[in-house]
Amino acid sequence: SAVISQKPSRDICQRGTSLTIQCQVDSQVTMMFWYRQQPGQSLTLIATANQGSEATYESGFVIDKFPISRPNLTFSTLTVSNMSPEDSSIYLCSVGGRGGPSTDTQYFGPGTRLTVL
Amino acid sequence: GEDVEQSLFLSVREGDSSVINCTYTDSSSTYLYWYKQEPGAGLQLLTYIFSNMDMKQDQRLTVLLNKKDKHLSLRIADTQTGDSAIYFCAEDTGGGNKLTFGTGTQLKVEL
Repeated sequence: SAVISQKPSRDICQRGTSLTIQCQVDSQVTMMFWYRQQPGQSLTLIATANQGSEATYESGFVIDKFPISRPNLTFSTLTVSNMSPEDSSIYLCSVGGRGGPSTDTQYFGPGTRLTVL
Repeated sequence: GEDVEQSLFLSVREGDSSVINCTYTDSSSTYLYWYKQEPGAGLQLLTYIFSNMDMKQDQRLTVLLNKKDKHLSLRIADTQTGDSAIYFCAEDTGGGNKLTFGTGTQLKVEL
């Protein structure tokens, strides 16, 4: 497995502002992913963070709202832009291709709990 | 579509067995996973099963897979208060390293 950390662990933000969430892994990984978990809901994949190229976004998520960076194989950031209360969620990064039974096995960071007022 | 469904809530007494069920739709999944999410925490990979297996046992955990019915279950023997959490099943949807998560089952263990 991999040790994954996220910063910040939680934040309270005003609507209209932006927040950048960092995800750091203790070893190089091929795949990094960003998920959103709305209150009481399951996880929804936002995008796959690709090293050296643009992120691949899932249906319903766009780069202008959720810009992602992946400057190297151990680090990624997700920005939640122009926030509204509907963006209040837990944002989780995960990594794949590192241990486990297959390259599809994903390990998760502790999450960032975001509240937008 | 790719829907993975679970019952929302399960309550058991300490020491009893818990069985959490999951139904999925993608028959091409290679691996199916169980993750645990404790309050205020991220997801912890608990166990997994390869799609050509019927059963896998890992200490107190037993995973059963009925591929014909696309039904997956997680049995926790001798359930403890520390097992109280939300449990998510997940399937790999083939290609692209994507996982589709179930709706989650909140397990409450009572004394």
